[in-house]
Amino acid sequence: NFMLTQPHSVSESPGKTVTISCTRSSGSIASNYVQWYQQRPGSAPTTVIYEDNQRPSGVPDRFSGSIDSSSNSASLTISGLKTEDEADYYCQSYDSSNHGVFGGGTKLTVL
Amino acid sequence: EVQLVESGGGLVQPGRSLRLSCAASGFTFDDYAMHWVRQAPGKGLEWVSGISWNSGSIGYADSVKGRFTISRDNAKNSLYLQMNSLRAEDTALYYCATGYSSGWYPNWGQGTLVTVSS
Repeated sequence: NFMLTQPHSVSESPGKTVTISCTRSSGSIASNYVQWYQQRPGSAPTTVIYEDNQRPSGVPDRFSGSIDSSSNSASLTISGLKTEDEADYYCQSYDSSNHGVFGGGTKLTVL
Repeated sequence: EVQLVESGGGLVQPGRSLRLSCAASGFTFDDYAMHWVRQAPGKGLEWVSGISWNSGSIGYADSVKGRFTISRDNAKNSLYLQMNSLRAEDTALYYCATGYSSGWYPNWGQGTLVTVSS
């Protein structure tokens, strides 16, 4: 089994761009799709990126996802930050047994 | 509109059992795998268990294997989680979620809270 490691927290100013990383501990990041979920306090998670770089309908194109095999990591980039983007963000993938694997979550502060 | 509504949570003593349910509507239930994901208070998300559309493939996190049993009734559009030998560390908000073959969980319920305490 592998782990997904995210920074505990990041902060940036409105209008700026922030990138949240998600590093896979073993095995290739490209082996299994990576998803990104946004969770606001008191709410269930919602998807901002699925299958590495796909945006669900309704998610603004300020959100983008990518994977980097050289660093064995996935990244979520949010541009033109808005105060409403302040939330916890989780990356998620799955192992060879189709067991879900979540990163520890990153608290994004927009100040 | 896809709806997932969890129920069955509550306060339970350590060592006792609880059965969670998830009622699905707004989509063809037996087209999708289903999963349970939990979140302890103030903590991150943890995958608990998943079941394929026809119950032919089932998986559990190591933390619950041998104590929890996932099942589904496609005729009733329902997902279940039987939780036995509950421990304090099982205290969490339990979400049910749909699952795509790509590993994506597109739809989530609002969760049901399980508190294990004496």
